[in-house]
Amino acid sequence: DTAVSQTPKYLVTQMGNDKSIKCEQNLGHDTMYWYKQDSKKFLKIMFSYNNKELIINETVPNRFSPKSPDKAHLNLHINSLELGDSAVYFCASSLRVSNEKLFFGSGTQLSVL
Amino acid sequence: AQTVTQSQPEMSVQEAETVTLSCTYDTSESDYYLFWYKQPPSRQMILVIRQEAYKQQNATENRFSVNFQKAAKSFSLKISDSQLGDAAMYFCASLGGATNKLIFGTGTLLAVQP
Repeated sequence: DTAVSQTPKYLVTQMGNDKSIKCEQNLGHDTMYWYKQDSKKFLKIMFSYNNKELIINETVPNRFSPKSPDKAHLNLHINSLELGDSAVYFCASSLRVSNEKLFFGSGTQLSVL
Repeated sequence: AQTVTQSQPEMSVQEAETVTLSCTYDTSESDYYLFWYKQPPSRQMILVIRQEAYKQQNATENRFSVNFQKAAKSFSLKISDSQLGDAAMYFCASLGGATNKLIFGTGTLLAVQP
């Protein structure tokens, strides 16, 4: 019954590989987000989708491609993984754009070796 | 542009005592919200308290309260009667009404001593 669920929780992979992280929310929200938390615990927004449309795209390498097949899902695909991609990636959702309550998933810890 | 600054990388408090975590912010938006999030070792981001900028009254949630000084752009969190379970990383964050980007500070790691 988790509101915002991400899979996998942990992901260990080699440099150069391609990997995906999946996110699903069962709250009926319109807006979903990806945040990255680096090794110093700093959290920064990467992307936001509203009803399957991209509305926020921060300065993120092209190797990162979000995909929203429907408004309940927002996946993150990463090509050609680099050591610097190691981080915790959080999915979040909110009822709508400009809604102040964000609900976070439990995060995916990505380790690139 | 929005920025959030937390000047205390680490804080420590004795169990049952009170501690205040500092936060300052800057925003060009007239309509915004401020938050404190708690991140325990489990990694889950937990909303502790939120404040609407248009409200003068300081938000409170049980043992947690804020001191919101709009003119000074200050938003500190006070934890009363600290408990061992309060030990975590605390993030201050701001959300602009127009941009809908939640901008985080760098966090304060709170230790609670028994």
